[in-house]
Amino acid sequence: QLLLQESGPGLVKPSETLSLTCAVSGGSMRSNSYYWGWIRQPPGKGLEWIGDIYYNWETYYNPSLRSRVTISIDTSKPQFSLNLTSVTATDTAVYYCARRSVGASGSYAHWGQGTPVTVSA
Amino acid sequence: DIQMTQSPSSLSASVGDRVTITCRASQDISNYLAWFQQKPGKAPKSLIYAASSLQSGVPSKFSGSGSGTDFTLTINSLQPEDFATYYCQQYNAYPFTFGQGTKLEI
Repeated sequence: QLLLQESGPGLVKPSETLSLTCAVSGGSMRSNSYYWGWIRQPPGKGLEWIGDIYYNWETYYNPSLRSRVTISIDTSKPQFSLNLTSVTATDTAVYYCARRSVGASGSYAHWGQGTPVTVSA
Repeated sequence: DIQMTQSPSSLSASVGDRVTITCRASQDISNYLAWFQQKPGKAPKSLIYAASSLQSGVPSKFSGSGSGTDFTLTINSLQPEDFATYYCQQYNAYPFTFGQGTKLEI
């Protein structure tokens, strides 16, 4: 059974870098059948897609965040990570990691429980 | 970016009712459409992928239809546990985008 678990600091100061990790268990990250993604949800608001990474480090980012976001992958651990630089209060959200399949069936079928991050001095 | 517009934004219903939520894409997304259910404080749960395919373990009271730009999620025989917020999402083209959500209330 695939399990995804986010971890990282729950409080980040403005202008600093938000760093989160998603630990993967119960499935291989070396498969070419899946993408690994990050999605966030500000308090009381809807879902915002942040980006995807493939096992070969191919990445896709939301243009609204592209200048500040980096997603990386370590298939040996196995885990993938999110770095978001120069954060402001608008980056306060619950951050989810998720996995989706390649192709037409490729919606995010598996999600982590989410980790809340607050940006505040 | 592809805009996803859900309607209604909120919906009041009763136990036993059948409800339909619609999702419209700003351009053709073929059938690359997913539906999620989210309860307060929980991660979204995948219900439907490829517009009409039921995710494993999801009861058949949930069904999806549509292709191109217009899609629907139908929930039959509402039970208390079905009252939640529902989101559509397109994965036809990056950046992926979600609808604004439909809150289903008693």
